[in-house]
Amino acid sequence: SQQGEEDPQALSIQEGENATMNCSYKTSINNLQWYRQNSGRGLVHLILIRSNEREKHSGRLRVTLDTSKKSSSLLITASRAADTASYFCATDAISFGNEKLTFGTGTRLTIIP
Amino acid sequence: EPEVTQTPSHQVTQMGQEVILRCVPISNHLYFYWYRQILGQKVEFLVSFYNNEISEKSEIFDDQFSVERPDGSNFTLKIRSTKLEDSAMYFCASSVSGVFNYGYTFGSGTRLTVV
Repeated sequence: SQQGEEDPQALSIQEGENATMNCSYKTSINNLQWYRQNSGRGLVHLILIRSNEREKHSGRLRVTLDTSKKSSSLLITASRAADTASYFCATDAISFGNEKLTFGTGTRLTIIP
Repeated sequence: EPEVTQTPSHQVTQMGQEVILRCVPISNHLYFYWYRQILGQKVEFLVSFYNNEISEKSEIFDDQFSVERPDGSNFTLKIRSTKLEDSAMYFCASSVSGVFNYGYTFGSGTRLTVV
């Protein structure tokens, strides 16, 4: 598997339920970010969690990071129809000067009204 | 909220033609990037640009690609001789202080179709 893989690949839930998406990565990181992409549109930055942080909240979003397992989860609480989108994790490498993000394959989330 | 602006939103070009994709990053940002996403695939890094030079590039970013910041506000990606496999969504992004500290702000993308 490659750096930044999300599971599940697709998730359908009823509006109001919580959605949890997971991301695994392989190399040591400085931080991990989650992005949302509506169909055919641009990427929207949701939240960044640093390697020395374990949990972070932003509104209805909760992100956890377990560097020992090289994994992260994104929880969206009380989902809404507008949350329907693809969600990507993205990681950077630990080496100085490495200015790129490596994106995962994404989870396609569908919220059923 | 400041935005990264990309133009055009959609471009169709014939194979072998040159294309220039344009981006206006956020004004106080110092780091600039191009990524691409082939339909149904991952978002892939192409190039990062800082202090008027390329700081890193991927294997995808071969001699057919170039970037330029011609006037202090625009940031362009040029593909000299397009191939069918260059068809993708191209995203420009900018950042205040690089990837280590903050997330990027991405533009809404240019969908390039090579026919």
